[in-house]
Amino acid sequence: AQKITQTQPGMFVQEKEAVTLDCTYDTSDQSYGLFWYKQPSSGEMIFLIYQGSYDEQNATEGRYSLNFQKARKSANLVISASQLGDSAMYFCAMRETGYSTLTFGKGTMLLVSP
Amino acid sequence: KAGVTQTPRYLIKTRGQQVTLSCSPISGHRSVSWYQQTPGQGLQFLFEYFSETQRNKGNFPGRFSGRQFSNSRSEMNVSTLELGDSALYLCASRIEGAWTEAFFGQGTRLTVV
Repeated sequence: AQKITQTQPGMFVQEKEAVTLDCTYDTSDQSYGLFWYKQPSSGEMIFLIYQGSYDEQNATEGRYSLNFQKARKSANLVISASQLGDSAMYFCAMRETGYSTLTFGKGTMLLVSP
Repeated sequence: KAGVTQTPRYLIKTRGQQVTLSCSPISGHRSVSWYQQTPGQGLQFLFEYFSETQRNKGNFPGRFSGRQFSNSRSEMNVSTLELGDSALYLCASRIEGAWTEAFFGQGTRLTVV
């Protein structure tokens, strides 16, 4: 079974609007971490935001926030006030207890139009 | 602070050849991981090194190998290249700790012809 599922292959949003990118995960561990990365066409993976499984508050980093619903095993990324530079692939990833590797979803391509 | 540096950025090799990719982590980061990214398979974990020891290995054939030096720099080697090895190879480094974020380099794009 897939550990990380991103069901939206592509998303379109207009500049200055908010957008939510979906991510669901599967783990039997109680302690785990969820990460979102952005990959522009240049190829580099850019860390955006982190949410720990025991964090009670949703993580926020500037225009990025993570809508964490533990019971539903979802960790959606919300980008507020989209900018043209936000156009990129976005990956959700998980690190589970006892492992140090990141498991990635297939990604969502976000296109921001003027 | 310099980021993760991968060299070379682009490589074209012929089937059957071997290739070595290099990764210099962020200063102070002792954990280095390698990932292969292809359109079909997405991002797949290759291996992770910490303090010159391989700590984890993904499900790749023995043609894929790596090592880490005392200064934390890492190399990965692919022998007997196949067309399917064409991919973006990403290196990531992080400070040791269960939940620290990984910082990635820009990757090496390998094309096997």
